[in-house]
Amino acid sequence: QKEVEQNSGPLSVPEGAIASLNCTYSDRGSQSFFWYRQYSGKSPELIMFIYSNGDKEDGRFTAQLNKASQYVSLLIRDSQPSDSATYLCAVNHNNAGNMLTFGGGTRLMVKP
Amino acid sequence: KAGVTQTPRYLIKTRGQQVTLSCSPISGHRSVSWYQQTPGQGLQFLFEYFSETQRNKGNFPGRFSGRQFSNSRSEMNVSTLELGDSALYLCASSPGQGAWETQYFGPGTRLLVL
Repeated sequence: QKEVEQNSGPLSVPEGAIASLNCTYSDRGSQSFFWYRQYSGKSPELIMFIYSNGDKEDGRFTAQLNKASQYVSLLIRDSQPSDSATYLCAVNHNNAGNMLTFGGGTRLMVKP
Repeated sequence: KAGVTQTPRYLIKTRGQQVTLSCSPISGHRSVSWYQQTPGQGLQFLFEYFSETQRNKGNFPGRFSGRQFSNSRSEMNVSTLELGDSALYLCASSPGQGAWETQYFGPGTRLLVL
C-alpha cells in the first residue's frame, strides 16, 4: 500500500508568519510530487510541483524535497488570511501515467 | 484556454440506480483521470484514460467504470449505487506524456445517494 501522510491540523499561524506544511510518503520509487490547495467546497488547485531533491521557490511558496528521508514540505512566507485552506500533498509513483496518491490534507488557518 | 469542465455539477440519486458523469479536458490534453473525494477516505484515484484506453486503475469495485472518446472527453459510470458512493467526483486532465505532468482539476460533480 503506497501511502502519503500529512498532519491533519489545523495549523494556525498569524498573518505575516511562515507556515510550514509537511508530508511523508512510503514508496521510495516515487518520481513527482505536488502540492494542491483546496478551499472548502472547491476543487484542488495546483500550488507547486517538484521532482528533484532540494528547494524550489515560486513567489511566497517554497517546496522542499528530500528523497532519502521520503518527505516533502511546503513553506508559505508572509501568510495571508486568503491562504487559509486545506493543503494536499500528492505523489505520482507510476512512471506510465498519471496516478496520484493524496495525503489527507493539512488544514491551515491564518489569523489576521 | 478553457479549463476542465464537468457535468452535471450536482446530482441526487437513490440506492440501486446508476449514474453517468462527464468530463471535458483542457483543449489538447489527452489524459483524463478520475478521483473520488469523501470526508472519510479523502481523495482517491479511480482510473486514468489516455487515447481512449484505460491506462491506470485504482482499487475500486467493478461498479465503477469509465470510457474516453476520440475527442478526449471522458465519462464515468457507477452502477447499483450505494449510500457510500456519495462523494465529490473530480476529473483531472493533463497532456498525457507521463508521470512528470501536472494534472488540472475540474470543479467536480457532487453526488448524493439517498
